[in-house]
Amino acid sequence: KAGVTQTPRYLIKTRGQQVTLSCSPISGHRSVSWYQQTPGQGLQFLFEYFSETQRNKGNFPGRFSGRQFSNSRSEMNVSTLELGDSALYLCASSLYYPGQVNNEQFFGPGTRLTVL
Amino acid sequence: GQQLNQSPQSMFIQEGEDVSMNCTSSSIFNTWLWYKQDPGEGPVLLIALYKAGELTSNGRLTAQFGITRKDSFLNISASIPSDVGIYFCAGRHTGANNLFFGTGTRLTIIP
Repeated sequence: KAGVTQTPRYLIKTRGQQVTLSCSPISGHRSVSWYQQTPGQGLQFLFEYFSETQRNKGNFPGRFSGRQFSNSRSEMNVSTLELGDSALYLCASSLYYPGQVNNEQFFGPGTRLTVL
Repeated sequence: GQQLNQSPQSMFIQEGEDVSMNCTSSSIFNTWLWYKQDPGEGPVLLIALYKAGELTSNGRLTAQFGITRKDSFLNISASIPSDVGIYFCAGRHTGANNLFFGTGTRLTIIP
């Protein structure tokens, strides 16, 4: 079974621009979560989507948004990029049936975003 | 966001040595997870723990879910070169799917 795929793997943008990152979950997985990883703040949860609905959101400004499509693929968007948005953005997928305890998240390789 | 306290921050060991690292939190989790991350890659799940006091092994790796539900431990026995990387603990609250991650332990093997 193919793993979580993320595109693009690397991206360079300038301040003020916007960016869209894409994630394809493991086949059959319906939940997609996004995390930001930086040297200073570590791994932090951005948001989670299940059945095309945002179920949970981390403590990030409104410039960060996402969506999920009917095939469970997800995109996240960052508008008005700032230098501090430079990070590794990781996508994770899980089966997530509500109430299921052993619902593990499997991560993709990430998209390395550099904002100049 | 909430971060878990993970220690040590880094470890320099010789091949064949055993390794221990731990993670503590101010809040209770109902699931503890341990991941390993190699450079340029995403975290890979090593062990998942679901019950307080649970002790689970995966090959040379053994992890425990602390009885207070606020901590977890990971041990690696007889380390080998491919163990090099950054190890993260992660906790999950009841009813939620999002993970809170530790600060990471960087493992280096000295030749």
